[in-house]
Amino acid sequence: AQSVAQPEDQVNVAEGNPLTVKCTYSVSGNPYLFWYVQYPNRGLQFLLKYITGDNLVKGSYGFEAEFNKSQTSFHLKKPSALVSDSALYFCAVRDRYSSASKIIFGSGTRLSIRP
Amino acid sequence: DVKVTQSSRYLVKRTGEKVFLECVQDMDHENMFWYRQDPGLGLRLIYFSYDVKMKEKGDIPEGYSVSREKKERFSLILESASTNQTSMYLCASSRQHSYEQYFGPGTRLTVT
Repeated sequence: AQSVAQPEDQVNVAEGNPLTVKCTYSVSGNPYLFWYVQYPNRGLQFLLKYITGDNLVKGSYGFEAEFNKSQTSFHLKKPSALVSDSALYFCAVRDRYSSASKIIFGSGTRLSIRP
Repeated sequence: DVKVTQSSRYLVKRTGEKVFLECVQDMDHENMFWYRQDPGLGLRLIYFSYDVKMKEKGDIPEGYSVSREKKERFSLILESASTNQTSMYLCASSRQHSYEQYFGPGTRLTVT
């Protein structure tokens, strides 16, 4: 069965510092991995995805994520945090060989950037 | 721009009422999804549809049904609302072989 874990409910970072939001996954085959962001009172927005190729994936708003197969992780990173990055972040996974179109979401991590 | 709209942002219903949540997408996407979002639980898939009149159960379908009579519209139905169905409901759509889902703004349903 597919699953994804976000071990931190909340991450607090000072503006200008690097940030990391952690994600680990479990699938039976090779994964497709995603990050979504939810700003207050808005729906989820797609940030980035890993399908194949380079382990470092770049996405919207200066975010990037690194796929680590040995550690089954897909942590979200940004070199310099902005206050406007404060939001709820969701990691998601899909088994590459699954015939269904559905993906599994993590429980979410609330990122808070202080000025 | 892909647009997914949901019929209501906020809804208050009484226990036992029949509730309809509507979702419309304007990008001719084949796949449509209904999720509920609860604090600490993330998004959980209720039902999804990959074509008109086709539907598949997600992880938590109990107490819900869906209807997809037209490609652009996917309805979630609570036959008899209960207080444990108080939640944020999110609709999403995607192309047939794409994994990027586009989400609506959500409907916050309160059942009293």
